[in-house]
Amino acid sequence: ETGVTQSPTHLIKTRGQQVTLRCSSQSGHNTVSWYQQALGQGPQFIFQYYREEENGRGNFPPRFSGLQFPNYSSELNVNALELDDSALYLCASSLRADGYTFGSGTRLTVV
Amino acid sequence: GENVEQHPSTLSVQEGDSAVIKCTYSDSASNYFPWYKQELGKGPQLIIDIRSNVGEKKDQRIAVTLNKTAKHFSLHITETQPEDSAVYFCAASSQGYGQNFVFGPGTRLSVLP
Repeated sequence: ETGVTQSPTHLIKTRGQQVTLRCSSQSGHNTVSWYQQALGQGPQFIFQYYREEENGRGNFPPRFSGLQFPNYSSELNVNALELDDSALYLCASSLRADGYTFGSGTRLTVV
Repeated sequence: GENVEQHPSTLSVQEGDSAVIKCTYSDSASNYFPWYKQELGKGPQLIIDIRSNVGEKKDQRIAVTLNKTAKHFSLHITETQPEDSAVYFCAASSQGYGQNFVFGPGTRLSVLP
């Protein structure tokens, strides 16, 4: 049983650019959530996808968008990057509403 | 919306001693409370969880207690070991459509040999 894998592990982007982060969910998991973790803080919920449909969204602007594919893998897209978007982006997958498995994250730095 | 507070922010204990981390939540609809351990460079790892119909749960050296009336829950680690050193996060959520976790700010636990 494979865990949750995220790519890339590290990324540096310039303010105003766009970025796509990728997540492969754990085998059999049909629900994927994305979290943003700023340095020294707890993760904050961005949105969740269940069977390719957005299933809930946190307090993030529309420039944060996502996709879930038929194989349940997922993407997080962020447009018009701002310096405050620098953070660790975590993907978590689950088969039920609890018991999430987190990936190791993508460290995004916006300069 | 839900708000989760966590104390202390840092905790140092001697190897073999116990460690206790406390969290409070605001939304009485929350009914699932997981605890995560995050080591440097890794994502959070679920270590124990508790549902609102249970007051206490134990798994070897780790236990969690829940007081729904007071809206607080605690993580207890006994016989601490150096490998327990990490950042610990509590979280709260309500089941159902679009459920998500609201995390506390974290506690950095250092176990001194």
